[in-house]
Amino acid sequence: GAGVSQSPSNKVTEKGKDVELRCDPISGHTALYWYRQRLGQGLEFLIYFQGNSAPDKSGLPSDRFSAERTGESVSTLTIQRTQQEDSAVYLCASSKYDRVGTEAFFGQGTRLTVV
Amino acid sequence: GQQVMQIPQYQHVQEGEDFTTYCNSSTTLSNIQWYKQRPGGHPVFLIQLVKSGEVKKQKRLTFQFGEAKKNSSLHITATQTTDVGTYFCAGAPPKALTFGGGTRLMVKP
Repeated sequence: GAGVSQSPSNKVTEKGKDVELRCDPISGHTALYWYRQRLGQGLEFLIYFQGNSAPDKSGLPSDRFSAERTGESVSTLTIQRTQQEDSAVYLCASSKYDRVGTEAFFGQGTRLTVV
Repeated sequence: GQQVMQIPQYQHVQEGEDFTTYCNSSTTLSNIQWYKQRPGGHPVFLIQLVKSGEVKKQKRLTFQFGEAKKNSSLHITATQTTDVGTYFCAGAPPKALTFGGGTRLMVKP
């Protein structure tokens, strides 16, 4: 596709349920990021995938959060046993990584509401 | 871990006034990027600075990268209402792109 695609755009879930968020990066982009943005706040780094290297999971806030990426394609972010503090917009970005890094293209985000 | 700080957190200006936001990293960066997020939107790339002391201009926007590659600034001359949004810097230490907290710019017409 032309840009980074995220689905669903909105998700309302009950506390304690699991949710899965999807990100389709731009074709050919080897780097993929997940960020969390709470209302009126900055971008909180969650996880970073770069090609076939081991992902940088240093930003995942708890073991309820996990993410996968198959090769250089789709990524899914899974949140288990959701809590109200997980409510936020989850943004995915991809970039065509080179040695010093290149611009990241963001998707429209998934707005997660835990009730 | 690596931290990127931005100040101020908020800035109200009268249309036509200048605006500056500052970004500081706890570690040396390989490059710094700037993004703009309009209200309700997603971050959009503005520019990337790579070299120590680099200065780049985009119309009314001037971007600087510090000599030590640990700080950066974005200056907007004669703000317009279309400049409204949150401006983020993002540092690439060796790997993951780490964002500052952002500066929210509000412009009063």
